Amino acid sequence: EVQLLESGGGLVQPGGSLRLSCVASGGTFSTYGMSWVRQAPGKGLEWVSGINSGGGGTYYADSVKGRFSISRDNSKNTLYLQMNSLRAEDTAVYYCAKDRITLSSLDNWGQGTLVTVSS
Amino acid sequence: QSALTQPASVSGSPGQSITISCTGTSSDVGGYNFVSWYQQHPGEAPKLMIYDVTNRPSGVSSRFSGSRSGNTASLTISGLQAEDEADYYCSSYVRGSTLVFGGGTKLTVL
Repeated sequence: EVQLLESGGGLVQPGGSLRLSCVASGGTFSTYGMSWVRQAPGKGLEWVSGINSGGGGTYYADSVKGRFSISRDNSKNTLYLQMNSLRAEDTAVYYCAKDRITLSSLDNWGQGTLVTVSS
Repeated sequence: QSALTQPASVSGSPGQSITISCTGTSSDVGGYNFVSWYQQHPGEAPKLMIYDVTNRPSGVSSRFSGSRSGNTASLTISGLQAEDEADYYCSSYVRGSTLVFGGGTKLTVL
């Protein structure tokens, strides 16, 4: 089973930027797609972004398109989420998750990292 | 990218069966075989319970089953147990290459 560990969360002011990382272990990272999913406090799950195994295909929810950028470094087994122009409504726990097939189902999840956007 | 529609809550007694519905459109639930269900206990990460409409990952109890009729998918839990009490979310691939979740259903075991 793949283990996923997110980092990079924290407190940021509105309009600011943050980069999340997710390190994978226990599998062949370069062979599967990955996604970011967030959960605002007390709310449901929201898919944020996805990327295919090679990194050439990237996908975004309308709510973050143009502000967030997903990328991966297969040599470092690491997934990234660059978040710019952050808003209060971006406050959430951000999970990285392994796609069983890109944009199909998410069969391994990290424990999440909290991003708080507040002045 | 509208969220899929789930009931806010369902409940059942130990040993009973319950069904949670997940309604979308022909652009998501009804159009692709990429419907999934997740279980989330408080303070924990979600766990995949059903993928590709009807399939169970290794290690998931056979008490969990999935189905679909038209634009509505369903998760059925038979022989309810106390540890099944959790939030449940459906998800689906959406035409145009995105993923969408349902709003979530809180299952209470009475």
